[in-house]
Amino acid sequence: QQQVKQSPQSLIVQKGGIPIINCAYENTAFDYFPWYQQFPGKGPALLIAIRPDVSEKKEGRFTISFNKSAKQFSLHIMDSQPGDSATYFCAANGGGSNYKLTFGKGTLLTVNP
Amino acid sequence: DGGITQSPKYLFRKEGQNVTLSCEQNLNHDAMYWYRQDPGQGLRLIYYSQIVNDFQKGDIAEGYSVSREKKESFPLTVTSAQKNPTAFYLCASSIAGRSEAFFGQGTRLTVV
Repeated sequence: QQQVKQSPQSLIVQKGGIPIINCAYENTAFDYFPWYQQFPGKGPALLIAIRPDVSEKKEGRFTISFNKSAKQFSLHIMDSQPGDSATYFCAANGGGSNYKLTFGKGTLLTVNP
Repeated sequence: DGGITQSPKYLFRKEGQNVTLSCEQNLNHDAMYWYRQDPGQGLRLIYYSQIVNDFQKGDIAEGYSVSREKKESFPLTVTSAQKNPTAFYLCASSIAGRSEAFFGQGTRLTVV
């Protein structure tokens, strides 16, 4: 059972475009939703995270939008750059004292110059 | 520098052999995790530990074993019972009770 579904699998945009990556979850007990960025051959790095008491969070060019009723959240990258080309993972934690993360399958983003 | 150190970066194993992947952290985190990454599969949880001398199975624990004798260390053994061990293995840690997990740089294991 896939508890966090991520789409699309891959995404190509031009420099300056706004790629959007979407995730949907099933478990209403989830209460923490991070996004990770991973470059080839490296470990994932925490990019930005949100909790369900807010609908949007911005950090620099990265924005998470959260829709609790739809059980969906998305990552927007403003003014995308070639250096943003990486794989992005959404995740959700187990809720309560169960704080291990469940990950989506990832989105390979390519930003062309 | 504080962080999570995984070693080795690359590891080759002959079929039928056990191998141990090292993970050390100096972040003073209580919780540690092992994930396996395969192309197109995301990150799947193998084992996790919330305190010393205690650990729990994740979603794909079969063919793996761990120990947590020290807070700083959480080694993963890939046993000969793991039928498809070739993958990228990632170790992570977090403060107990918080979900922000920080990852090491990974170990790529190849069966030859």
